[in-house]
Amino acid sequence: DAGVIQSPRHEVTEMGQEVTLRCKPISGHDYLFWYRQTMMRGLELLIYFNNNVPIDDSGMPEDRFSAKMPNASFSTLKIQPSEPRDSAVYFCASRTGPYNEQFFGPGTRLTVL
Amino acid sequence: AQSVAQPEDQVNVAEGNPLTVKCTYSVSGNPYLFWYVQYPNRGLQFLLKYITGDNLVKGSYGFEAEFNKSQTSFHLKKPSALVSDSALYFCAATSGGSYIPTFGRGTSLIVHP
Repeated sequence: DAGVIQSPRHEVTEMGQEVTLRCKPISGHDYLFWYRQTMMRGLELLIYFNNNVPIDDSGMPEDRFSAKMPNASFSTLKIQPSEPRDSAVYFCASRTGPYNEQFFGPGTRLTVL
Repeated sequence: AQSVAQPEDQVNVAEGNPLTVKCTYSVSGNPYLFWYVQYPNRGLQFLLKYITGDNLVKGSYGFEAEFNKSQTSFHLKKPSALVSDSALYFCAATSGGSYIPTFGRGTSLIVHP
């Protein structure tokens, strides 16, 4: 298995633009997580899905952030409009079952100018 | 509420010496505990986990961790450090009441030649 796949790996955009981050979880995993990592705030959970259904989005910072999981093999995290403070590394992770380890993707480094 | 503390932002150790990275946790009920490692510009990688059973858990790359229920600790250890072990290490915890692990802030391990 190729592991969790994220695209793009790097994204540079200007303030106000829409940004879409993509994730393909490991086949057979029923949980998918979106995290954000910054030096100041560390690793933050934004939202997680179970069987493609969003369960907890309390970590999504504002209405500018939205996430979807249309099927078991694809998820997106969208920021519209983007702001400089959204600059961070965004990770997608997946796992099987409620108490097993998570498998993280390589991350998307987002820079908003 | 769950919490994880990694009291040291940075640990320095000489190559060949034993290393310990500390972690304490607070959860309701029986804990599920994890260690992850993050190399520069990479996603987090699973190292080992404690679910139940032996208090000493062995994981990848020669790492092990000791679960201590009375001290609510789950310290990561390795008998002989390598320069290549230099990375950021995260402890995570959850319990039967939650499906979502709480991560510590991370500890930067630096192994000097």
